[in-house]
Amino acid sequence: NAGVMQNPRHLVRRRGQEARLRCSPMKGHSHVYWYRQLPEEGLKFMVYLQKENIIDESGMPKERFSAEFPKEGPSILRIQQVVRGDSAAYFCASSPLTRGTDTQYFGPGTRLTVL
Amino acid sequence: GEDVEQSLFLSVREGDSSVINCTYTDSSSTYLYWYKQEPGAGLQLLTYIFSNMDMKQDQRLTVLLNKKDKHLSLRIADTQTGDSAIYFCAEIYNQGGKLIFGQGTELSVKP
Repeated sequence: NAGVMQNPRHLVRRRGQEARLRCSPMKGHSHVYWYRQLPEEGLKFMVYLQKENIIDESGMPKERFSAEFPKEGPSILRIQQVVRGDSAAYFCASSPLTRGTDTQYFGPGTRLTVL
Repeated sequence: GEDVEQSLFLSVREGDSSVINCTYTDSSSTYLYWYKQEPGAGLQLLTYIFSNMDMKQDQRLTVLLNKKDKHLSLRIADTQTGDSAIYFCAEIYNQGGKLIFGQGTELSVKP
């Protein structure tokens, strides 16, 4: 059973470009979470999605960031007009059921570098 | 509020026990977790404890939970150099799905 897949593993963008990060949850998991890890810091929650629904986006910056989890295909975290402060590791996690009692399994992360 | 605190560094000698401490604030947390992160890698789930338990043991790992003081600890017995990593504790916030992480404790194991 493959784990949580994320791609690309490393992404380099210039200021003002767009970054698209993809996450495929574990088989049988219908809940996806995105977290951001800034250098030398812990992980900060960004958004929680189910198929075609955003459940909690309380950690998402108000501008430039969006996330989706379509009926078919991976979850996408999109960052428009990237700035240097967006440089971080972005981790996706998945869990099988709805409520917070379900363990989240993490992918290897996408390390975004903004030049 | 949402706050999980950990000490930042711990250094031990190979073969000793390591104890990593964590305090949290959400008294309604149902599960508390320990994750391990090696350099450049993702987070590996080590173990978790349900909030109605005081202790959980899993091979070399022992988790202790003091719910009154909102204090969680992870003990690693017979620590090995391969245990060198950053260890994160996390709580489920308000039973709502998102994890609140501590800053991570960097464990350094010296031969």
